[in-house]
Amino acid sequence: QKEVEQDPGPLSVPEGAIVSLNCTYSNSAFQYFMWYRQYSRKGPELLMYTYSSGNKEDGRFTAQVDKSSKYISLFIRDSQPSDSATYLCAMKLTGGTSYGKLTFGQGTILTVHP
Amino acid sequence: AAGVIQSPRHLIKEKRETATLKCYPIPRHDTVYWYQQGPGQDPQFLISFYEKMQSDKGSIPDRFSAQQFSDYHSELNMSSLELGDSALYFCASSGTGTRVPDTQYFGPGTRLTVL
Repeated sequence: QKEVEQDPGPLSVPEGAIVSLNCTYSNSAFQYFMWYRQYSRKGPELLMYTYSSGNKEDGRFTAQVDKSSKYISLFIRDSQPSDSATYLCAMKLTGGTSYGKLTFGQGTILTVHP
Repeated sequence: AAGVIQSPRHLIKEKRETATLKCYPIPRHDTVYWYQQGPGQDPQFLISFYEKMQSDKGSIPDRFSAQQFSDYHSELNMSSLELGDSALYFCASSGTGTRVPDTQYFGPGTRLTVL
């Protein structure tokens, strides 16, 4: 079983919809949680970064972490066709240092159609 | 803003050949990570370097080696290439002075095809 589970989708929504992306994890030692967006044939781009339970908002994006349930979410409001991409959750064991590998979920393929 | 640079962007090799992938981190970043992403898969951590020393090792085959040089660029050397090595290879860097400290910023990747 993978340490980080993410529904690969694909997920198809109309423009303007609210999108909910989720990941669960099994290792309670994960302390840092990230969401990356990856367009086809491009490198992952950091969207959100959190290290505590609760919500963090950045524009149309909200990241939610529930450490007690080992569950993280990314919400996208007013989704746009340009949001169409693969969304990867990622987690890290260590923090406060300059090293620490990321463990990724499988990625969810999102398509926002006009 | 400067990003992570990887070269080459595309590489085609035959089985049993060798390949060298290069990564130039964001200026002032002291840590470099290498990941392998197979088709339709999530990136898998290979190896990382902090201040030119290996800091962590993941699922990197013995046929692969890597190092970080004095200018902080890194090279991933792959020998006796196999068909299964065909993948996207990403380099990421992290360090101080970024928007979010210790966060990894990814390069565009090198697409390796082994024939």
